[in-house]
Amino acid sequence: QQQVRQSPQSLTVWEGETAILNCSYEDSTFDYFPWYWQFPRESPALLIAIRPVSNKKEDGRFTIFFNKREKKLSLHITDSQPGDSATYFCAARPTGNTGKLIFGLGTTLQVQP
Amino acid sequence: EAAVTQSPRSKVAVTGGKVTLSCHQTNNHDYMYWYRQDTGHGLRLIHYSYVADSTEKGDIPDGYKASRPSQENFSLILELASLSQTAVYFCASSATGQDTQYFGPGTRLLVL
Repeated sequence: QQQVRQSPQSLTVWEGETAILNCSYEDSTFDYFPWYWQFPRESPALLIAIRPVSNKKEDGRFTIFFNKREKKLSLHITDSQPGDSATYFCAARPTGNTGKLIFGLGTTLQVQP
Repeated sequence: EAAVTQSPRSKVAVTGGKVTLSCHQTNNHDYMYWYRQDTGHGLRLIHYSYVADSTEKGDIPDGYKASRPSQENFSLILELASLSQTAVYFCASSATGQDTQYFGPGTRLLVL
Protein backbone atom coordinates (compact mmCIF):
# COMPACT_ATOMS: atom_id res chain seq x y z
CA GLN A 1 0.00 0.00 0.00
CA GLN A 2 1.11 3.55 -0.58
CA GLN A 3 2.37 5.03 2.67
CA VAL A 4 2.83 8.50 1.21
CA ARG A 5 0.04 9.86 -0.94
CA GLN A 6 0.13 12.93 -3.13
CA SER A 7 -2.57 14.93 -4.82
CA PRO A 8 -3.35 16.08 -7.35
CA GLN A 9 -1.54 13.86 -9.81
CA SER A 10 -1.13 16.85 -12.11
CA LEU A 11 -1.69 20.57 -11.73
CA THR A 12 -1.67 23.48 -14.13
CA VAL A 13 -1.48 27.09 -12.96
CA TRP A 14 -0.83 30.41 -14.62
CA GLU A 15 2.38 32.31 -14.11
CA GLY A 16 2.13 34.38 -10.93
CA GLU A 17 -0.46 32.15 -9.26
CA THR A 18 0.08 30.04 -6.14
CA ALA A 19 0.37 26.32 -6.70
CA ILE A 20 -0.63 24.02 -3.83
CA LEU A 21 0.60 20.44 -3.78
CA ASN A 22 -0.74 18.07 -1.16
CA CYS A 23 0.77 15.13 0.66
CA SER A 24 -0.49 12.78 3.36
CA TYR A 25 1.06 9.88 5.20
CA GLU A 26 0.07 6.98 7.41
CA ASP A 27 2.93 6.28 9.77
CA SER A 28 3.00 8.70 12.67
CA THR A 29 6.60 7.78 13.43
CA PHE A 30 7.98 9.34 10.24
CA ASP A 31 10.51 11.93 11.36
CA TYR A 32 11.53 13.86 8.28
CA PHE A 33 9.63 15.04 5.21
CA PRO A 34 11.59 16.26 2.19
CA TRP A 35 10.19 17.46 -1.09
CA TYR A 36 12.23 16.61 -4.17
CA TRP A 37 11.68 18.06 -7.58
CA GLN A 38 12.55 16.50 -10.89
CA PHE A 39 12.74 18.17 -14.27
CA PRO A 40 12.14 16.11 -17.41
CA ARG A 41 14.98 13.67 -18.13
CA GLU A 42 16.88 14.81 -15.03
CA SER A 43 17.40 13.28 -11.62
CA PRO A 44 15.49 14.27 -8.48
CA ALA A 45 16.98 16.95 -6.28
CA LEU A 46 16.08 18.19 -2.82
CA LEU A 47 13.90 21.29 -2.86
CA ILE A 48 12.87 21.84 0.76
CA ALA A 49 12.25 19.72 3.84
CA ILE A 50 10.57 19.85 7.25
CA ARG A 51 10.66 17.95 10.53
CA PRO A 52 7.54 17.28 12.63
CA VAL A 53 8.72 19.70 15.36
CA SER A 54 7.81 22.55 12.99
CA ASN A 55 4.53 23.36 11.29
CA LYS A 56 5.98 25.63 8.63
CA LYS A 57 9.16 25.89 6.61
CA GLU A 58 9.89 28.63 4.11
CA ASP A 59 12.53 28.98 1.45
CA GLY A 60 11.89 31.88 -0.85
CA ARG A 61 8.74 31.20 -2.85
CA PHE A 62 8.43 27.65 -1.50
CA THR A 63 6.65 26.94 1.80
CA ILE A 64 5.76 23.68 3.50
CA PHE A 65 2.76 23.67 5.82
CA PHE A 66 2.69 20.67 8.16
CA ASN A 67 -0.25 19.33 10.18
CA LYS A 68 1.01 16.55 12.42
CA ARG A 69 -2.39 15.75 13.90
CA GLU A 70 -3.95 15.16 10.50
CA LYS A 71 -0.78 13.63 9.02
CA LYS A 72 -0.87 16.06 6.15
CA LEU A 73 1.50 18.51 4.58
CA SER A 74 1.38 20.79 1.62
CA LEU A 75 3.86 22.60 -0.56
CA HIS A 76 2.88 26.12 -1.60
CA ILE A 77 4.66 27.75 -4.49
CA THR A 78 3.87 31.44 -4.64
CA ASP A 79 4.33 33.59 -7.74
CA SER A 80 4.74 30.43 -9.83
CA GLN A 81 7.15 30.67 -12.75
CA PRO A 82 7.37 28.58 -15.93
CA GLY A 83 10.74 27.36 -14.66
CA ASP A 84 8.92 25.73 -11.73
CA SER A 85 7.33 23.24 -14.13
CA ALA A 86 8.49 19.87 -12.85
CA THR A 87 7.35 16.79 -10.98
CA TYR A 88 7.34 17.24 -7.22
CA PHE A 89 7.78 14.27 -4.92
CA CYS A 90 6.82 14.28 -1.28
CA ALA A 91 8.83 11.79 0.77
CA ALA A 92 8.95 10.57 4.34
CA ARG A 93 11.65 8.95 6.42
CA PRO A 94 10.87 6.16 8.86
CA THR A 95 12.34 6.51 12.32
CA GLY A 96 15.77 4.91 12.64
CA ASN A 97 19.17 5.56 11.23
CA THR A 98 18.76 3.88 7.85
CA GLY A 99 18.40 7.00 5.76
CA LYS A 100 15.57 5.31 3.86
CA LEU A 101 12.98 7.49 2.19
CA ILE A 102 9.50 6.52 1.06
CA PHE A 103 8.37 8.56 -1.92
CA GLY A 104 4.91 9.48 -3.06
CA LEU A 105 3.94 9.08 -6.70
CA GLY A 106 4.50 12.75 -7.44
CA THR A 107 2.57 15.76 -8.68
CA THR A 108 3.41 17.10 -12.11
CA LEU A 109 3.15 20.89 -12.14
CA GLN A 110 2.82 22.88 -15.32
CA VAL A 111 3.08 26.67 -15.07
CA GLN A 112 1.63 28.40 -18.09
CA PRO A 113 3.14 31.75 -19.10
CA GLU B 1 27.87 19.11 -3.49
CA ALA B 2 27.95 15.34 -3.77
CA ALA B 3 29.05 13.85 -7.05
CA VAL B 4 27.29 10.64 -7.97
CA THR B 5 27.92 9.05 -11.32
CA GLN B 6 26.27 6.05 -12.92
CA SER B 7 27.23 3.77 -15.76
CA PRO B 8 26.04 2.93 -18.24
CA ARG B 9 23.65 5.82 -18.86
CA SER B 10 21.47 3.62 -20.98
CA LYS B 11 21.38 -0.05 -21.80
CA VAL B 12 19.39 -2.49 -23.88
CA ALA B 13 19.36 -6.00 -22.45
CA VAL B 14 17.80 -9.28 -23.51
CA THR B 15 15.36 -11.18 -21.38
CA GLY B 16 17.20 -13.70 -19.23
CA GLY B 17 20.51 -11.95 -19.53
CA LYS B 18 22.61 -10.54 -16.73
CA VAL B 19 22.78 -6.79 -16.23
CA THR B 20 25.06 -4.86 -13.92
CA LEU B 21 24.48 -1.20 -13.18
CA SER B 22 27.28 0.71 -11.50
CA CYS B 23 27.30 3.72 -9.22
CA HIS B 24 30.27 5.71 -7.98
CA GLN B 25 30.33 8.58 -5.50
CA THR B 26 33.27 10.77 -4.55
CA ASN B 27 32.16 12.50 -1.38
CA ASN B 28 32.81 9.82 1.22
CA HIS B 29 29.13 9.26 1.91
CA ASP B 30 28.32 6.22 4.00
CA TYR B 31 24.84 5.60 2.64
CA MET B 32 24.08 4.56 -0.90
CA TYR B 33 20.75 3.62 -2.45
CA TRP B 34 19.30 2.13 -5.60
CA TYR B 35 15.85 3.25 -6.75
CA ARG B 36 13.82 2.45 -9.79
CA GLN B 37 11.43 4.90 -11.38
CA ASP B 38 8.47 3.89 -13.47
CA THR B 39 5.76 6.07 -14.84
CA GLY B 40 2.99 6.14 -12.27
CA HIS B 41 5.08 4.57 -9.52
CA GLY B 42 7.36 7.33 -8.40
CA LEU B 43 10.66 6.23 -6.88
CA ARG B 44 10.89 2.87 -5.19
CA LEU B 45 13.83 1.69 -3.09
CA ILE B 46 15.42 -1.57 -4.24
CA HIS B 47 18.52 -1.95 -2.06
CA TYR B 48 20.62 0.29 0.11
CA SER B 49 23.87 0.14 2.03
CA TYR B 50 25.33 2.06 4.95
CA VAL B 51 28.79 0.50 4.97
CA ALA B 52 31.10 -1.26 2.55
CA ASP B 53 30.62 -5.02 2.18
CA SER B 54 27.08 -4.83 3.51
CA THR B 55 23.75 -4.32 1.75
CA GLU B 56 20.16 -4.17 2.91
CA LYS B 57 16.90 -4.95 1.16
CA GLY B 58 14.68 -2.05 0.31
CA ASP B 59 11.00 -2.14 -0.52
CA ILE B 60 11.19 -4.03 -3.84
CA PRO B 61 14.32 -6.24 -3.75
CA ASP B 62 12.96 -9.26 -5.64
CA GLY B 63 14.89 -9.94 -8.83
CA TYR B 64 17.79 -7.69 -7.82
CA LYS B 65 21.06 -8.13 -5.99
CA ALA B 66 23.37 -5.40 -4.75
CA SER B 67 27.07 -5.21 -4.06
CA ARG B 68 29.04 -2.59 -2.10
CA PRO B 69 32.71 -3.51 -2.54
CA SER B 70 33.95 -0.13 -1.30
CA GLN B 71 32.57 3.05 0.18
CA GLU B 72 32.62 4.68 -3.24
CA ASN B 73 31.00 1.96 -5.33
CA PHE B 74 27.58 0.36 -5.27
CA SER B 75 26.34 -1.99 -7.97
CA LEU B 76 22.90 -3.30 -8.83
CA ILE B 77 22.78 -6.73 -10.45
CA LEU B 78 19.94 -8.25 -12.41
CA GLU B 79 20.89 -11.91 -12.72
CA LEU B 80 18.01 -12.79 -15.06
CA ALA B 81 16.63 -9.63 -16.59
CA SER B 82 12.91 -9.56 -17.26
CA LEU B 83 10.64 -7.30 -19.28
CA SER B 84 9.15 -5.91 -16.07
CA GLN B 85 12.55 -4.53 -15.08
CA THR B 86 12.48 -1.97 -17.86
CA ALA B 87 12.74 1.31 -15.96
CA VAL B 88 15.01 4.20 -15.07
CA TYR B 89 17.37 3.35 -12.24
CA PHE B 90 18.76 5.99 -9.93
CA CYS B 91 21.59 5.68 -7.49
CA ALA B 92 21.78 8.10 -4.58
CA SER B 93 24.06 8.74 -1.64
CA SER B 94 23.88 10.54 1.67
CA ALA B 95 26.17 11.20 4.59
CA THR B 96 25.64 9.87 8.10
CA GLY B 97 23.73 12.43 10.12
CA GLN B 98 22.79 14.39 7.01
CA ASP B 99 19.34 14.11 5.53
CA THR B 100 19.85 15.03 1.90
CA GLN B 101 20.13 12.29 -0.68
CA TYR B 102 22.07 13.19 -3.81
CA PHE B 103 20.99 11.42 -6.93
CA GLY B 104 23.03 10.30 -9.88
CA PRO B 105 21.93 11.01 -13.47
CA GLY B 106 20.11 7.71 -13.86
CA THR B 107 20.40 4.68 -16.12
CA ARG B 108 17.68 3.93 -18.64
CA LEU B 109 17.31 0.17 -18.94
CA LEU B 110 15.27 -1.43 -21.67
CA VAL B 111 14.79 -5.17 -21.47
CA LEU B 112 13.63 -6.80 -24.70
